Amino acid sequence: GEDVEQSLFLSVREGDSSVINCTYTDSSSTYLYWYKQEPGAGLQLLTYIFSNMDMKQDQRLTVLLNKKDKHLSLRIADTQTGDSAIYFCAESINNNDMRFGAGTRLTVKP
Amino acid sequence: EAGVAQSPRYKIIEKRQSVAFWCNPISGHATLYWYQQILGQGPKLLIQFQNNGVVDDSQLPKDRFSAERLKGVDSTLKIQPAKLEDSAVYLCASGTGSYEQYFGPGTRLTVT
Repeated sequence: GEDVEQSLFLSVREGDSSVINCTYTDSSSTYLYWYKQEPGAGLQLLTYIFSNMDMKQDQRLTVLLNKKDKHLSLRIADTQTGDSAIYFCAESINNNDMRFGAGTRLTVKP
Repeated sequence: EAGVAQSPRYKIIEKRQSVAFWCNPISGHATLYWYQQILGQGPKLLIQFQNNGVVDDSQLPKDRFSAERLKGVDSTLKIQPAKLEDSAVYLCASGTGSYEQYFGPGTRLTVT
């Protein structure tokens, strides 16, 4: 099974907030990432958080990290149709051995 | 700044044939990665290079997969012979060794 787990699907209405959740297993992970993948394209880094932080905000994106529970979440405020994509959570130790979840497919309905 | 380039974008081969993928990383990036992404799964690291040396190839099926990065710039990934289960998107990424990896568009391989 995956070391990093995510729910597979999320559907929201345009303008609502989206919250994508992830659990990871390696407590020694130093970086945690959120990547976005649109159809036919490679992965685009959306944001990352160091393991010594518990929150990071970047425009419409908010990342929350609960190290005790090994839980990571990505909140997208005011979700737009252009946000429809697959979102991958990933963990790494010093940018080596990056491990990805299976991805959450976000569908935004107008 | 040009991104990571990969070719071909698509490849269809029969099982037991050979195939090679090419990657040109972002100029100046010392670290290069090859990932395999099977449909419905996240990318799985196959091999990581630092300049022209291998840092991690623990998940590379060495009986059929090989990769090289001559001169520490471009890289090729080869599969010989291919199996049905090798059907996937092969992603190349490069980085400076810090937290960020920049991904190419991938090569979609279909083995029939």
